[in-house]
Amino acid sequence: NAGVMQNPRHLVRRRGQEARLRCSPMKGHSHVYWYRQLPEEGLKFMVYLQKENIIDESGMPKERFSAEFPKEGPSILRIQQVVRGDSAAYFCASSPQKVDGYGYTFGSGTRLTVV
Amino acid sequence: AQSVAQPEDQVNVAEGNPLTVKCTYSVSGNPYLFWYVQYPNRGLQFLLKYITGDNLVKGSYGFEAEFNKSQTSFHLKKPSALVSDSALYFCAVRDIEYGGATNKLIFGTGTLLAVQP
Repeated sequence: NAGVMQNPRHLVRRRGQEARLRCSPMKGHSHVYWYRQLPEEGLKFMVYLQKENIIDESGMPKERFSAEFPKEGPSILRIQQVVRGDSAAYFCASSPQKVDGYGYTFGSGTRLTVV
Repeated sequence: AQSVAQPEDQVNVAEGNPLTVKCTYSVSGNPYLFWYVQYPNRGLQFLLKYITGDNLVKGSYGFEAEFNKSQTSFHLKKPSALVSDSALYFCAVRDIEYGGATNKLIFGTGTLLAVQP
């Protein structure tokens, strides 16, 4: 069981470029969550998705950020026209339909650096 | 909105001594509480949870947490700290919307545990 796979582990982008972060959930998990971790700010919720459906995007910035979880393939977090303030660690987690058991299973994260 | 607070940015403890990492919560209804640990450059790992039942919950790596409803706390504890316990610890609560629990977890800001040899 490969767990939650995130790639790339490290991503460097110049200001104005696009960043695409990928997340493959754990086998058998149908729910995906994206969190952003900034120093001294902890883990901030961004978006919660099921296949082909956004359940809760209340933590997503209104502009430049989007997420999808297509019927086939990984979940994608897309950041357009990146700025220095987007530099952070982005974590994906997955869970079964109900999260009562062990909560989430987290990936190892993608560390985005905007130069 | 549901929330958790971790009042200490860092906790320092000597190896072999007991440790406590504090967490308080604010929820409407019955709380679903979790503790996670993050080692450097890694994702978060589940330690333990409280859903219902005994107030003292035992988890991985010898950790336990005590649910205290009157104090709205869920402090993480370990009787004897190890240097290898040094990591970032997060408390989390399951969000509630429209009177029902959702699958969304809300995390605290994290507490860095440093265990000195």
